[in-house]
Formats: sequence, structure tokens, C-alpha cells
Amino acid sequence: NAGVTQTPKFQVLKTGQSMTLQCAQDMNHEYMSWYRQDPGMGLRLIHYSVGAGITDQGEVPNGYNVSRSTTEDFPLRLLSAAPSQTSVYFCASRPRLGSSYNEQFFGPGTRLTVL
Amino acid sequence: GQQVMQIPQYQHVQEGEDFTTYCNSSTTLSNIQWYKQRPGGHPVFLIQLVKSGEVKKQKRLTFQFGEAKKNSSLHITATQTTDVGTYFCAGPSNSGYALNFGKGTSLLVTP
Repeated sequence: NAGVTQTPKFQVLKTGQSMTLQCAQDMNHEYMSWYRQDPGMGLRLIHYSVGAGITDQGEVPNGYNVSRSTTEDFPLRLLSAAPSQTSVYFCASRPRLGSSYNEQFFGPGTRLTVL
Repeated sequence: GQQVMQIPQYQHVQEGEDFTTYCNSSTTLSNIQWYKQRPGGHPVFLIQLVKSGEVKKQKRLTFQFGEAKKNSSLHITATQTTDVGTYFCAGPSNSGYALNFGKGTSLLVTP
């Protein structure tokens, strides 16, 4: 299993540009999440999904859109990039509640810089 | 959402010294998880605690879940340079579907 994969690894955008961060998992996990990590701020939840077609907002959703058309994929869209969105973005997945273990698996991250 | 507070933010120890990080929540948690992130890496799951007063050990790491299920700690005995990284605790979000992470404790170990 590849686990959780993210592309690209690095990205530089100009203010106002849009882009999609890709995330895929091959573990058949129902739950997937997007986090951003900034120095001193820990991991903050952007959006999450509990299954195909179901998404919800996390702590810092503004400026981001998500969709979940399949169990495997959970892309994160930046609609109009701003310098405040410069961050490291992690995608994560885990089995649904009620599973014997709730370990969350993280992807390697995308390092985004917005100029 | 439910917030978990973590202290200290940073800790610098000499190799061989012990290290402890603490996690506190204002509400009762159904469970708490701990993750480790090496510099430049991604968070990696260490353990999950579920029961009140639970204590679990992984070699030199000892994890505790408070009796009221509102606090937790991670203690490392005799730190090694391989312990360097940021340690995060995480509790369930209000919905229960996602995780809310503490801000982490960054551990630096000098030989």
C-alpha cells in the first residue's frame, strides 16, 4: 500500500492564483482531513470528510474548498491564493468510528508559498 | 471545537535527561492520541489512550490518561538524539469525526 499520497510536494503561487492540492489514499478509509501547519500554531483542521459526497468545515475553512467524489481522493482547492495561505498542508485519513483503531495516517505534505 | 492545550511549547534537554509534555482539555475526551513529527516530516501516530487512568508504555515512552479524561502526558526516560521532533496530542473534534491537535511540544536533544 502507498498509504496517503500528496501532490505536489512543493508549490509557489502568486497572489490571486488558484490551484488544487491532490490527496489520495489506498487504505479504503472513510475519514479524510486536511490540515495546515504554521510555526507555533500546530496542526489546524481545514476541512474533513466522513465519506464520498460528505464534507464539513474545520477550524480554518475560509479560502478553501473540498469535494469527495470517491473514497480514495480528497482534493483541496485554493480559490484565490493569498500570502496568509503560505503553509505546509497535510492530508490525513483514518478508518471510521467504531473501528478497533483510530490511527490517523498522514501524507508527506505539500509546502506552499504564496507570493 | 474542543481545544486541547499543550505545554511546554519547547524543551531543550541534554541527552540522557528525562522529558515530559502535558496535554489538557477543558472537556472530557473520549480518547486521546499522541503523534510524533520529525523535522521536515509528517506526523506519525504513536498511541491512543481510551480508559480513565490508563497508562501505556512503549520502551522509554510512557503515556498517561488522567482519571477525569481531561489531561494526558507523555514522558520520555533518558532521552536520545533520535527523540528529537515535535510531539502532538490530539482529541476528537466536536463532531467526533476529525481530530483537534494541540500546538505541540518541540523537543531538542543535544548530545
